Amino acid sequence: SYVLTQPPSVSVAPGQTARITCEGNNIGGKSVHWYQQKPGQAPVLVVYDDSDRPSGIPERLSGSNSGNTATLTINRVEAGDEADYYCQVWDSSSDHVVFGGGTKLTVL
Amino acid sequence: EVQLLESGGGLVQPGGSLRVSCAASGFTFRNYAMSWVRQAPGKGLEWISAISGSGGSTYYADSVKGRFTISRDNSKKTLYLRVNSLRDEDTAVYYCAKDRAVAVAGLSEDWGQGTLVTVSS
Repeated sequence: SYVLTQPPSVSVAPGQTARITCEGNNIGGKSVHWYQQKPGQAPVLVVYDDSDRPSGIPERLSGSNSGNTATLTINRVEAGDEADYYCQVWDSSSDHVVFGGGTKLTVL
Repeated sequence: EVQLLESGGGLVQPGGSLRVSCAASGFTFRNYAMSWVRQAPGKGLEWISAISGSGGSTYYADSVKGRFTISRDNSKKTLYLRVNSLRDEDTAVYYCAKDRAVAVAGLSEDWGQGTLVTVSS
């Protein structure tokens, strides 16, 4: 089965740039989606199809995807960005949705 | 505005059964595939099942295949998940999510607030 690997945690100071990676075999050939989840809340879609943003999501959040790594980049990090972030793909070979294990973003 | 409201969670004994529901509003329900995603306490997101807009295509994670059944009633704008032979490890918040198209694409645009299922004796 297809596996997505994320770092368990990323820490960054306010105003700096956070990069959260999602590794998978030839993930560049798939569409990657990213979700933000704050404590006690449901997940929220923040990036879809590698790099598109739903309405209402700030431009500070962006995505990229190539080779074996997809990346969610958060520029000018704010305290309100502190959350868990999950990458996700559709694996057409198994007809399964696959989530990464999640990354906890801590704003120092 | 899209609204998804889960219900039906609760405390169930190991080996027991339950049906959770998700009432949808704010969009043309039959035009969108839907999914169930769960989250065990302190753990990450786990996709468990998806269904096309017509209900004609269903998909399951290996961890629940044969025990869980996804279905939908488009006339009632409601998504269901029947869970059987429950195990301790099925304890989780169960979320329903709306996909972006009538066929399952694996993109969860909108989520409900979840319903907690606790399996314990």
